[in-house]
Amino acid sequence: DGGITQSPKYLFRKEGQNVTLSCEQNLNHDAMYWYRQDPGQGLRLIYYSQIVNDFQKGDIAEGYSVSREKKESFPLTVTSAQKNPTAFYLCASSIDLGGLAKNIQYFGAGTRLSVL
Amino acid sequence: AQSVAQPEDQVNVAEGNPLTVKCTYSVSGNPYLFWYVQYPNRGLQFLLKYITGDNLVKGSYGFEAEFNKSQTSFHLKKPSALVSDSALYFCAVRPRTGANNLFFGTGTRLTVIP
Repeated sequence: DGGITQSPKYLFRKEGQNVTLSCEQNLNHDAMYWYRQDPGQGLRLIYYSQIVNDFQKGDIAEGYSVSREKKESFPLTVTSAQKNPTAFYLCASSIDLGGLAKNIQYFGAGTRLSVL
Repeated sequence: AQSVAQPEDQVNVAEGNPLTVKCTYSVSGNPYLFWYVQYPNRGLQFLLKYITGDNLVKGSYGFEAEFNKSQTSFHLKKPSALVSDSALYFCAVRPRTGANNLFFGTGTRLTVIP
């Protein structure tokens, strides 16, 4: 899983609770991403960030929020507005997002979120 | 709309036999193409990519993939399957312009039978 660390590995959320998933990378990558993985649906993009203090919504951003205060960190908050949060969440990073779209994304080991 | 199709949810192959995992795409222009592999409860690992040039791309662990522009396909292949190849395989594409993210297929679970 390279230099991307996701924590915790397992997380449980109570009704109405916000929870935050951590993603840290030591690869000096500019771009970072959050994906949600559900069985039979592949990976869907939640948010991505090209540089510090900038981020963009992906395909399924509703009910989620992110921040990018440091280059190496891109935490994801699953808010109470996300009504179906149970899934496997994957964080990824790549060297550059802009014109170098061919660059490879490196993934963390994932966080499995369940609702109590 | 951009899309990636992996028509087989499950592929079973006997150890030592050749394997193929299929991928077709509907993305404007000439996208970049990728294959990733996922082992249980782990993140995705990069296998190989097609950017330009030779249509046959060689990657990690003896895997290769063949790009076919006319059929918009990028099938993953391996001449001789190993039991350790059993995993979930994802095809992904990235447009050369416009959208900045990867579009993933739904995944194909490969089981290699001893």
